Amino acid sequence: EAQVTQNPRYLITVTGKKLTVTCSQNMNHEYMSWYRQDPGLGLRQIYYSMNVEVTDKGDVPEGYKVSRKEKRNFPLILESPSPNQTSLYFCASSHRDRAGTSGNEQFFGPGTRLTVL
Amino acid sequence: KQEVTQIPAALSVPEGENLVLNCSFTDSAIYNLQWFRQDPGKGLTSLLLIQSSQREQTSGRLNASLDKSSGRSTLYIAASQPGDSATYLCAIHETLVGGADGLTFGKGTHLIIQP
Repeated sequence: EAQVTQNPRYLITVTGKKLTVTCSQNMNHEYMSWYRQDPGLGLRQIYYSMNVEVTDKGDVPEGYKVSRKEKRNFPLILESPSPNQTSLYFCASSHRDRAGTSGNEQFFGPGTRLTVL
Repeated sequence: KQEVTQIPAALSVPEGENLVLNCSFTDSAIYNLQWFRQDPGKGLTSLLLIQSSQREQTSGRLNASLDKSSGRSTLYIAASQPGDSATYLCAIHETLVGGADGLTFGKGTHLIIQP
């Protein structure tokens, strides 16, 4: 089954304790990204990656890191989490064709609910 | 940057009714538009993708239209069912730095279908 998976699904942690949320897709998609969803603010993009070893900042990158060492994986790293990073996080992926066309259908993972105390 | 607005923010209708959800955007130079549904505690499920050159797209009881000149899209749900209850999100595909693809989301319409 074609899917985007995230782990963990739920996480409660304390301020300053480094954590990683994993994201993996089995559709051989070139493009992957991370979003956070907050009440009243909607979904906002954190980071994205156009392919292996290529990453760039989205709208709200502060406090986050990412890496793209393999095509299928795109982990989100919080080096020193703070309470304002309490949120629902989504990973997404999509295909980019030979022409590099954007705008293809994006597929989302099930979400990771993070609470930072 | 695009601003995406969805009206109404919430909607409750009896089962069986046809209904329309609205999405408006500020910049008509969009790439594509995608409709999602989000169930409580769950991820986003892609419903329909309308390419910028298309006027509408259909999937089962769902029909999405796109009018770039007026900055509007609608999602039409025919013969609504309680299982359609969810939050519906509209998202605009935009081209980011380097040609990457970013989505700008509306805040969604929370739909309740009463049995």
